[in-house]
Amino acid sequence: SYELTQPPSVSVSPGQTARITCSGEALPKKFAYWYQQKPGQAPLLVIRKDNERPSGIPERFSGSSSGITATLTISGVQAEDEADYYCQSADGGVSSPVVFGGGTKLTVL
Amino acid sequence: QVRLVQSGAEVKKSGSSVKVSCKASGGTFRSSAFSWVRQAPGQGLEWMGGIIPLFRAAEYAQKFQGRVTITADESTNTAFMELSSLRSDDTALYFCASGEGSCRISSCYKSPNYQYDGLDVWGQGTTVTVSS
Repeated sequence: SYELTQPPSVSVSPGQTARITCSGEALPKKFAYWYQQKPGQAPLLVIRKDNERPSGIPERFSGSSSGITATLTISGVQAEDEADYYCQSADGGVSSPVVFGGGTKLTVL
Repeated sequence: QVRLVQSGAEVKKSGSSVKVSCKASGGTFRSSAFSWVRQAPGQGLEWMGGIIPLFRAAEYAQKFQGRVTITADESTNTAFMELSSLRSDDTALYFCASGEGSCRISSCYKSPNYQYDGLDVWGQGTTVTVSS
């Protein structure tokens, strides 16, 4: 089955830039989406279609995609950004229209 | 503003079934793409399946084929997910989520093949606990 690979954890100090990657063979052909999930809450869409920021999402969140890797970048990280982040995409065929990466725990030191 | 409200927590015995509801308000129910996503304790997100009510046909992740049924009732703007033959490893938090979607082929009425353009709005989640 199709897989999206994320690093289990990323740590940054406040004010620094955090980059979370997501790798998948179909990413050159399929959009990546990113979700933020804080403890006890439902996920929140922070980036759609590789690099579009939904209304209400702070400008410090941005996305990019190149080749088989999509990247979520959080510039000027704040303590409130500490959360789990999941990428989501689809495989190149029809069997897995929605696939999530394993998630990355962002720790703000 | 779209809002999704799910039914309450469930405790079920192994081998039984559970049906979770997700009532939508705001937005355009029949053309939205509804997904069901579960999260086992301490684990990541897992997509189970989805439906666009307009087409009245659901598609499912291979892992859940034959065990999950997703439906939508346009008269009440409510989506449902029923999971049967419950096992202890089905204990999880179950979310419904909605967003823009479309049919990727000429017709999805009998053979759904949907494009999901992001899961914009999420329900609060429903805890399902399966005990032996």
